[in-house]
Amino acid sequence: AQKVTQAQTEISVVEKEDVTLDCVYETRDTTYYLFWYKQPPSGELVFLIRRNSFDEQNEISGRYSWNFQKSTSSFNFTITASQVVDSAVYFCALLEYGNKLVFGAGTILRVKS
Amino acid sequence: EAQVTQNPRYLITVTGKKLTVTCSQNMNHEYMSWYRQDPGLGLRQIYYSMNVEVTDKGDVPEGYKVSRKEKRNFPLILESPSPNQTSLYFCASTPQGGYNSPLHFGNGTRLTVT
Repeated sequence: AQKVTQAQTEISVVEKEDVTLDCVYETRDTTYYLFWYKQPPSGELVFLIRRNSFDEQNEISGRYSWNFQKSTSSFNFTITASQVVDSAVYFCALLEYGNKLVFGAGTILRVKS
Repeated sequence: EAQVTQNPRYLITVTGKKLTVTCSQNMNHEYMSWYRQDPGLGLRQIYYSMNVEVTDKGDVPEGYKVSRKEKRNFPLILESPSPNQTSLYFCASTPQGGYNSPLHFGNGTRLTVT
């Protein structure tokens, strides 16, 4: 069965530190999508990135970068020079056919000034 | 503005008192879904609907009902709420089932059942 594991329950860093959030997934599908969502204290889910299983190129968007490695079934998320506004719960998710998103348990990121 | 609207945002109720959480989308999406979020468990799918009059169970459907009588609305019904249904609920939609595009989420409904 599809599964997403975010082993880090909570991470605390000091502002300007780099931080990596880990995501490991399991699937039998050959075609799938991986996502990261951010949930700030206000509670809404903010879409950050979607990556399909055929595209292993790393992606960078400002201070955010994502490392997709099919060989290790991982899709890790790095925030460079973290800021207090990055404090949130971050979810990794795997999309099965039919648009069922399977979520990890989430990682709480606390960035202290 | 394209959006998924859930109401209410916050709801406190008592055990056994029927309630409905509404969800409406204005994007003409075919696919809609309900998730619940619990600490340490992430989000889990309750029900989904691929189109009007087509609904199916997700991973945690017990204690919930849904209906899809028209494309824009997908209400979540708790016939007899219990304290273990205290949770944060999200409705989501996308143009159609498959890999086509990310889910659009509503802002969530925080339900407390005492």
